Amino acid sequence: GNSVTQMEGPVTLSEEAFLTINCTYTATGYPSLFWYVQYPGEGLQLLLKATKADDKGSNKGFEATYRKETTSFHLEKGSVQVSDSAVYFCALSDSGGSNYKLTFGKGTLLTVNP
Amino acid sequence: GAGVSQSPRYKVAKRGQDVALRCDPISGHVSLFWYQQALGQGPEFLTYFQNEAQLDKSGLPSDRFFAERPEGSVSTLKIQRTQQEDSAVYLCASSPKSGLLNTGELFFGEGSRLTVL
Repeated sequence: GNSVTQMEGPVTLSEEAFLTINCTYTATGYPSLFWYVQYPGEGLQLLLKATKADDKGSNKGFEATYRKETTSFHLEKGSVQVSDSAVYFCALSDSGGSNYKLTFGKGTLLTVNP
Repeated sequence: GAGVSQSPRYKVAKRGQDVALRCDPISGHVSLFWYQQALGQGPEFLTYFQNEAQLDKSGLPSDRFFAERPEGSVSTLKIQRTQQEDSAVYLCASSPKSGLLNTGELFFGEGSRLTVL
């Protein structure tokens, strides 16, 4: 079955530091890949996505590139802010007839200190 | 507000009790999903509705779990004879797209945290 593995947290950074959160996946076919973010007291929300190999998703200064050869979708940001403190989830969608179904990683808690 | 609304936000049940969790999706959203998130884990798929039709219930962990969406809007997840292992956050999500057009862009509620004693 499909699975997503993301780096264990928590991750603590100072403001303006570089962020990488690693994500690798196992899947059949050609899934789409996602990063969701959950800010304190809020529901999960889509941060970015990529639907095919070599696509780069980007939003709010975050980027991730769909690497089929390494089955990875690492999240990066060049300069984090305190407001980026949240839990980040990597996810993939089934391919084919059940593409509505998402498989999530365990989440990585990011804390950014001023 | 205009987001996905879930109630109750917190529910404590004694083992063996029945519980019902409600989800109000974003108005007009065709697709509705339930996910279960255990402590320290990512969300896991439970079931999927397209309008009032339950198209996939493959993730429901046992026949004690039942979900419905009778009029294609509000949905209820019911858990009968709750067990301690049912303790989790239950997330509802909706999407304006249906079927194969669903591309993973879901709008999640804040969840209902169930604790079974």
